[in-house]
Amino acid sequence: IAGITQAPTSQILAAGRRMTLRCTQDMRHNAMYWYRQDLGLGLRLIHYSNTAGTTGKGEVPDGYSVSRANTDDFPLTLASAVPSQTSVYFCASSAGLAGGLNTQYFGPGTRLTVL
Amino acid sequence: QKEVEQNSGPLSVPEGAIASLNCTYSDRGSQSFFWYRQYSGKSPELIMSIYSNGDKEDGRFTAQLNKASQYVSLLIRDSQPSDSATYLCAVGSSNTGKLIFGQGTTLQVKP
Repeated sequence: IAGITQAPTSQILAAGRRMTLRCTQDMRHNAMYWYRQDLGLGLRLIHYSNTAGTTGKGEVPDGYSVSRANTDDFPLTLASAVPSQTSVYFCASSAGLAGGLNTQYFGPGTRLTVL
Repeated sequence: QKEVEQNSGPLSVPEGAIASLNCTYSDRGSQSFFWYRQYSGKSPELIMSIYSNGDKEDGRFTAQLNKASQYVSLLIRDSQPSDSATYLCAVGSSNTGKLIFGQGTTLQVKP
């Protein structure tokens, strides 16, 4: 089934640990995105990639890093997790830049708790 | 001023009624507008997109766009309990290549 997969589904992590959230899409979309969703704050963009080999910072990039080695994969790394990074993380993709006529599709999400 | 604003609700309507969800945005350069539905514990799913002024209908859903007033709305006719969810408005600009999301409106359809 075509779409976006994320792993893990949920994770409890000790503060200070390193964690990589995985995202894979099989739609051959050029653009990929990472959002976090917090109650009362909505969806906020962390990092994005308009095409393989390029990445950019979103609204809340601090404490996170990404890479885009190929079209399909867009991992998000927390180098040293802190409790404020407790959130639900969504990966998304679109065929082209999301601001134009391209629809953005979302993965199922990863629920991360940092203690 | 938030870039995309929605009333958080909850908006409560009886089954069979019309639910009206509203969204305003601040960037006049915005060119694409989307409505996503998000059930509790699930990811957002696209239900409507609209790019030009006027109405766009898809089944029980109608999106309305007024760029002069910087306003986009979603009407749900014959509301069903299964429509109970949070509805996210998203606005995009080809200049930035990104979507900005509102905080969402929670809709409750009561049987």
